[in-house]
Amino acid sequence: DTGVSQNPRHKITKRGQNVTFRCDPISEHNRLYWYRQTLGQGPEFLTYFQNEAQLEKSRLLSDRFSAERPKGSFSTLEIQRTEQGDSAMYLCASSLVQTGGTYEQYFGPGTRLTVT
Amino acid sequence: DAKTTQPPSMDCAEGRAANLPCNHSTISGNEYVYWYRQIHSQGPQYIIHGLKNNETNEMASLIITEDRKSSTLILPHATLRDTAVYYCTSGYSTLTFGKGTMLLVSP
Repeated sequence: DTGVSQNPRHKITKRGQNVTFRCDPISEHNRLYWYRQTLGQGPEFLTYFQNEAQLEKSRLLSDRFSAERPKGSFSTLEIQRTEQGDSAMYLCASSLVQTGGTYEQYFGPGTRLTVT
Repeated sequence: DAKTTQPPSMDCAEGRAANLPCNHSTISGNEYVYWYRQIHSQGPQYIIHGLKNNETNEMASLIITEDRKSSTLILPHATLRDTAVYYCTSGYSTLTFGKGTMLLVSP
């Protein structure tokens, strides 16, 4: 399968613990995005990378959240000192952006986080 | 990014065409319109996008009004597997999703 993959698919953690999620984008895609989705809502943008550079971060991305894409391939999203309000589906997407091109994003299956 | 407005839910009989509307009256001149759908507990699936002209692919057709303030996604022969939440969105480098339209296809 050459789509976007995310690990783990499910994560249950206790409040106050740190968690890290991984996203592997479609090969050759230069942009990688993180979204968060809660029940009944559409995905909310968190941040995106073009290659290794983190180009934009949403105001939703508090100081407890950090994302990296060290070699321009896979990315990790870490949440420190988790809170119950962090419980959500965390989605990763990737796209191939070229000059004059469009930005259709391809999503992974998501990581469902439950903070108890 | 433009704000989009969609009806919260729609019903469609299996085998009939499903026409899903979207208003995006604040869209900028060179922002594309994108449609995605999300089946329960899965990641959103890209369907189609367009700028000014109508577009068709193997999944659906997209009709964009001349003033670009609204569009319609058409699933020509809806099946039970098309039951999903459909999102209309637009933007440049990032996308803003609303709550979408829950399409229920019934036998």
